[in-house]
Amino acid sequence: DAGVTQSPTHLIKTRGQHVTLRCSPISGHKSVSWYQQVLGQGPQFIFQYYEKEERGRGNFPDRFSARQFPNYSSELNVNALLLGDSALYLCASSGGRALRGNTIYFGEGSWLTVV
Amino acid sequence: DAKTTQPPSMDCAEGRAANLPCNHSTISGNEYVYWYRQIHSQGPQYIIHGLKNNETNEMASLIITEDRKSSTLILPHATLRDTAVYYCIVSSSGNTPLVFGKGTRLSVIA
Repeated sequence: DAGVTQSPTHLIKTRGQHVTLRCSPISGHKSVSWYQQVLGQGPQFIFQYYEKEERGRGNFPDRFSARQFPNYSSELNVNALLLGDSALYLCASSGGRALRGNTIYFGEGSWLTVV
Repeated sequence: DAKTTQPPSMDCAEGRAANLPCNHSTISGNEYVYWYRQIHSQGPQYIIHGLKNNETNEMASLIITEDRKSSTLILPHATLRDTAVYYCIVSSSGNTPLVFGKGTRLSVIA
């Protein structure tokens, strides 16, 4: 079975531009989360979606937005890119049911460089 | 902030067991202990998780103390490919965002 897939794997953008990152969860998983990982740090939570509804938001500016589609895939959008947005963006999926001990699985990430 | 404390780095000889400690003294009764690892430039890889009983799978064993305030991840026969940053995380469920600390950088040495 395919794991969490993300695209693109690498991209370079200029300051002020907009970027869209895409994620397909593991088949059957209904919850998708996004994380940002800057160099030398652990991943930081950005958003969580379940059944197309936002269920959680981390401490990120409004330039960051996301959505989940009926097929449970998701997009992360970042507007007005800053140099500090350069990071590895990780998508994670889980079964989404409120079962204790449910496991979150990560994709390989999208490397964003802002120049 | 992360609810766990891990040593920043550890070394282990190839073929030996790697024992990675984690302190989580404020863990709640409904929180599980999860372990992930991240090999350079890749996404975090799930290893194992547990509530209060010791757990074992094909990758590792997880030993949780009786008071649940600490745990140890054991890689029984470390290989060079186990060199990675290992994260210990406490979380109540897969619906709760994971809070990562800085993890332990494990270096397996030939």
